Amino acid sequence: GIQVEQSPPDLILQEGANSTLRCNFSDSVNNLQWFHQNPWGQLINLFYIPSGTKQNGRLSATTVATERYSLLYISSSQTTDSGVYFCAVVTTDYKLSFGAGTTVTVRA
Amino acid sequence: DTGVSQNPRHKITKRGQNVTFRCDPISEHNRLYWYRQTLGQGPEFLTYFQNEAQLEKSRLLSDRFSAERPKGSFSTLEIQRTEQGDSAMYLCASSLAGTAYGYTFGSGTRLTVV
Repeated sequence: GIQVEQSPPDLILQEGANSTLRCNFSDSVNNLQWFHQNPWGQLINLFYIPSGTKQNGRLSATTVATERYSLLYISSSQTTDSGVYFCAVVTTDYKLSFGAGTTVTVRA
Repeated sequence: DTGVSQNPRHKITKRGQNVTFRCDPISEHNRLYWYRQTLGQGPEFLTYFQNEAQLEKSRLLSDRFSAERPKGSFSTLEIQRTEQGDSAMYLCASSLAGTAYGYTFGSGTRLTVV
């Protein structure tokens, strides 16, 4: 199956800092999603992004499908951004294959 | 609609006991997926349904695991003769067939086997 690798595994930020999370995948994919998992375990869809760039407030994402990677940018980080960020590629029949995640801790 | 609902939120059970989890998807979603997440890892796919039909179950971890969606609405995931290695978060998600857009996860059921 498709391998999904995320880096870095852990990220500690001071409030207000910017950061970039990376997701590499091993094969061509139809689509890719970014999720945020909050401390209570809820997975929230951030972006549905097969290619190109999308922005939502302080978050933006870019997928370069031909080079098999996606980036998630967090700008002006806030403590509420803390949690685990997952990228997931959409495989056959819309099943998701997840990376191991990046744990982000934003300190006040 | 309040999203995908999972019950219970937490379950502690003794090794060897059977447990059952319930998932209520978004009402207009005809696809329902079960995933398992262990500590420090991303969710891994287990099985999925379109309406009441279970379309794939080969990824269920063993024959102790089974899932049903009898009327195409809610679903249950049962683990028989639980083992300590079954301790994990079990997540349910729903979507419309033919798209991963709008894929929505529940808050999960955290299982601890002691």
